[in-house]
Amino acid sequence: DTEVTQTPKHLVMGMTNKKSLKCEQHMGHRAMYWYKQKAKKPPELMFVYSYEKLSINESVPSRFSPECPNSSLLNLHLHALQPEDSALYLCASSQGRDPSYEQYFGPGTRLTVT
Amino acid sequence: AQKVTQAQTEISVVEKEDVTLDCVYETRDTTYYLFWYKQPPSGELVFLIRRNSFDEQNEISGRYSWNFQKSTSSFNFTITASQVVDSAVYFCALSEAGGAQKLVFGQGTRLTINP
Repeated sequence: DTEVTQTPKHLVMGMTNKKSLKCEQHMGHRAMYWYKQKAKKPPELMFVYSYEKLSINESVPSRFSPECPNSSLLNLHLHALQPEDSALYLCASSQGRDPSYEQYFGPGTRLTVT
Repeated sequence: AQKVTQAQTEISVVEKEDVTLDCVYETRDTTYYLFWYKQPPSGELVFLIRRNSFDEQNEISGRYSWNFQKSTSSFNFTITASQVVDSAVYFCALSEAGGAQKLVFGQGTRLTINP
């Protein structure tokens, strides 16, 4: 099973709201990722967790707060977002931190900030 | 710094035609990994293939084939006898052995297969 699940599929939130995106995998992968993808652009890396510890933060604004409660779950907490944060947020996982491992992606959460 | 270039922004062909998607990369590492991903309209990126820098052997998987040439820093992807279901955005990506899990994507090629 090479499935990564993400909830919700769609999210509309106001700039003062607090919401969370959830990602789950049951492949025993030890690295998990958050990407942001704007329309007609490639995914941009936001965060990497390796063995449940944050290993990469690509200078993401603090209104995005990642959390990795256990090796299967990855959350992205959202607060005080801006309209330009509207995008497709993709979660991915890989077997480990080695760059040779392929990443498996979830279907994404399409976020609209109003 | 690593970079991936997919010069073809959009390609449109008629079903059953063969089509090649180009990918050119730049890296200073001697050990690196190249990937192709497919992103259908549903949004999920689907892993297609991985190649490491020491393995220049071309690969064929059904109607899909990949041509890796280190001499030209290219990793091209050919679909033979294209089908409407092949319509998607295709991304070429690169990671470096010393690159700390970072996967750098090209800009993507939007492929449309017309019936």
